[in-house]
Amino acid sequence: GQNIDQPTEMTATEGAIVQINCTYQTSGFNGLFWYQQHAGEAPTFLSYNVLDGLEEKGRFSSFLSRSKGYSYLLLKELQMKDSASYLCAVRRTGGFKTIFGAGTRLFVKA
Amino acid sequence: DTEVTQTPKHLVMGMTNKKSLKCEQHMGHRAMYWYKQKAKKPPELMFVYSYEKLSINESVPSRFSPECPNSSLLNLHLHALQPEDSALYLCASSQVVGPGTDTQYFGPGTRLTVL
Repeated sequence: GQNIDQPTEMTATEGAIVQINCTYQTSGFNGLFWYQQHAGEAPTFLSYNVLDGLEEKGRFSSFLSRSKGYSYLLLKELQMKDSASYLCAVRRTGGFKTIFGAGTRLFVKA
Repeated sequence: DTEVTQTPKHLVMGMTNKKSLKCEQHMGHRAMYWYKQKAKKPPELMFVYSYEKLSINESVPSRFSPECPNSSLLNLHLHALQPEDSALYLCASSQVVGPGTDTQYFGPGTRLTVL
C-alpha cells in the first residue's frame, strides 16, 4: 500500500522560515513532488526530488531522504502570498500514478 | 508556454443532463490526466492518457467518460451525475519519458455543481 503524511496546518510569521514535513510509505518510489495550491486554484509545481539531498530554488528548497521515506519543503523569507496549501506527492514506478498527500495549509501572519 | 486551459470554469448541471469538460495544452506533452478534488482534500486521479490511449482508469463510474481526440485535447463527458460528484475537476499534462520529466502542469479547473 501507500501512505503520505503531512501536518494539516501550520502558522508562521512574515519574513520567517518554515519547514513542512512529509513522510511516505510506498512500493516502487520514483520521485517526490511539492505543489503549491491557493484556495480554489490549481496546484502549481514547486519542486521535484528523486535523489537524496537538497534542491534549492530561490526562497524554496526541498529535501529528500529515500531511506527514511522523508521529505521537507523549506520556505524562507515568508511572504503573505505564501499562504496556501502545500501538497506532497509521490510518483510510483511503472506508470503515471502520482499520489497526493492531503496537503498542509500554511497561514502566514503579519 | 506552460499553460493548460480548461473550459468551462464553472458548470451547474442537473442529474439528467449531459455535459462535457474540455482541456487543452500546447506544450507537446503526451500524457494527460483528469483529477477530481473535493474541498480541503488532495486531488484524486481519475484517468490518464498516454499517447492518446487510455493508460489508467482508477475505477471511475461509467457516468464519467474520457476522450482524447488528439495529443493536445482531453475531454471528460458527463452523464447522469450525482450531487456527490460536485467537485473541482482538474486537468493536467506532462511529458512521458525520462525521470522527472513527468512533472504535471495543471489547468485552472472546472468547478462542477450537480443539482
